[in-house]
Amino acid sequence: GQQVMQIPQYQHVQEGEDFTTYCNSSTTLSNIQWYKQRPGGHPVFLIQLVKSGEVKKQKRLTFQFGEAKKNSSLHITATQTTDVGTYFCAGPMEYGNKLVFGAGTILRVKS
Amino acid sequence: DGGITQSPKYLFRKEGQNVTLSCEQNLNHDAMYWYRQDPGQGLRLIYYSQIVNDFQKGDIAEGYSVSREKKESFPLTVTSAQKNPTAFYLCASNTGSIYNEQFFGPGTRLTVL
Repeated sequence: GQQVMQIPQYQHVQEGEDFTTYCNSSTTLSNIQWYKQRPGGHPVFLIQLVKSGEVKKQKRLTFQFGEAKKNSSLHITATQTTDVGTYFCAGPMEYGNKLVFGAGTILRVKS
Repeated sequence: DGGITQSPKYLFRKEGQNVTLSCEQNLNHDAMYWYRQDPGQGLRLIYYSQIVNDFQKGDIAEGYSVSREKKESFPLTVTSAQKNPTAFYLCASNTGSIYNEQFFGPGTRLTVL
């Protein structure tokens, strides 16, 4: 079945270091969404990418969508303690208006 | 305040009992979703509904049931047939398009003793 794979599963960084999470789909995606879930909280939408090769920035966060629209990445520059949480990518399923989520990357930041 | 509410935040039940989790939204969204979250497994879709009085099974529907009698409400029943019901349950809603973000409720953590 359709899968969205996300790596790494877990990353522990020193405050100020960079962080990247990668998302790969078994099929071509029409769009991809990224969500952040703080510890003990619920997922909150960050951004959506639609175009091949698209790059979007939100302050220290940079999101990319691959040329083939089968992979995506989220890069955080100079992490801060406020960045801790789990980051999920999600792509649409082939049929029906629903999303398939990656397993998420847990980010921990040491101050 | 517009948003999605789920209650209760924590729920304890004995094995063999059915339990219903509530989800209410005042965002006027057509589509609503139920996800189950287990450590290291991300979000898995249980059921979803695109319109009132209609719903479809997701990837892990066995042992669960839903209803959508009102646009604002999408309750989930965890039945005794669900083999491993202890989990974090998240409800979400959106306009129904895959190009629109999903808004999540605060979740219900169910523990079956």
